[in-house]
Amino acid sequence: SQQGEEDPQALSIQEGENATMNCSYKTSINNLQWYRQNSGRGLVHLILIRSNEREKHSGRLRVTLDTSKKSSSLLITASRAADTASYFCATGKAAGNKLTFGGGTRVLVKP
Amino acid sequence: SAVISQKPSRDICQRGTSLTIQCQVDSQVTMMFWYRQQPGQSLTLIATANQGSEATYESGFVIDKFPISRPNLTFSTLTVSNMSPEDSSIYLCSVDQPQGTDTQYFGPGTRLTVL
Repeated sequence: SQQGEEDPQALSIQEGENATMNCSYKTSINNLQWYRQNSGRGLVHLILIRSNEREKHSGRLRVTLDTSKKSSSLLITASRAADTASYFCATGKAAGNKLTFGGGTRVLVKP
Repeated sequence: SAVISQKPSRDICQRGTSLTIQCQVDSQVTMMFWYRQQPGQSLTLIATANQGSEATYESGFVIDKFPISRPNLTFSTLTVSNMSPEDSSIYLCSVDQPQGTDTQYFGPGTRLTVL
C-alpha cells in the first residue's frame, strides 16, 4: 500500500462535534501536510508539520505527529457544515519536495 | 501564498486527441509539480518540472504520454496525449512556495473527461 494511509475513509458527524482523522506512513519523512478538497476542486493547504515537531494548531485545527509510530492526526473542533470535504495527508521526504498522498478521509458534517 | 491558475478548468475530449493544460503562477518558483487525481481517488504525482531541464517522471508515467514544458519560472504545461477514457481525471499543478518552507500550494485543477 502507498505511503500515507488514512483512517477512517469516511466520517459522518453532527455540526458542533469534533472530527478526528488519522494518517499513517511507512518511511521517514521531512514533513507532513494536511489538505482539504471540496467536491473535486483544488486543494486547500491546512497545516504543515515538520518531523521535529509534535503538535501544531491553526484556528479550529490541531495536528499531531508521532514519528516513532509514523502517524499523524488531524482534529477539527466544533465542526461546521462548511467543513464537509475530503481531507488528505501528504508526506514529503526532503526539502523542496514532491508529496506522496494518502487515500483521504471524506467528512460529512450534518447541520 | 502563491496564486496559481490553470487553463482550461474543464474539458471534454474525444479519444485519440491531445489536450494541453497550462499552469501559471504569480511569482517565480523553482519547482512545479503535476498530479493526477482519478475519479474518487487520491492524488498521484506525474512529474516534477524544473526550469531549464527535462521533467522528472514518476514510475508509471512517460514523457511520450505526458510531455511537459517549463519555459520560465512562472509557467508550465502538461499535455495529455492520445487520450483514452482512462485518462479522465483531475489534473493539478502545484508549486513549492514560498521557497524553503516546503509548503506546497495547488492550482484549482483541470477536470478532463475523455469520451
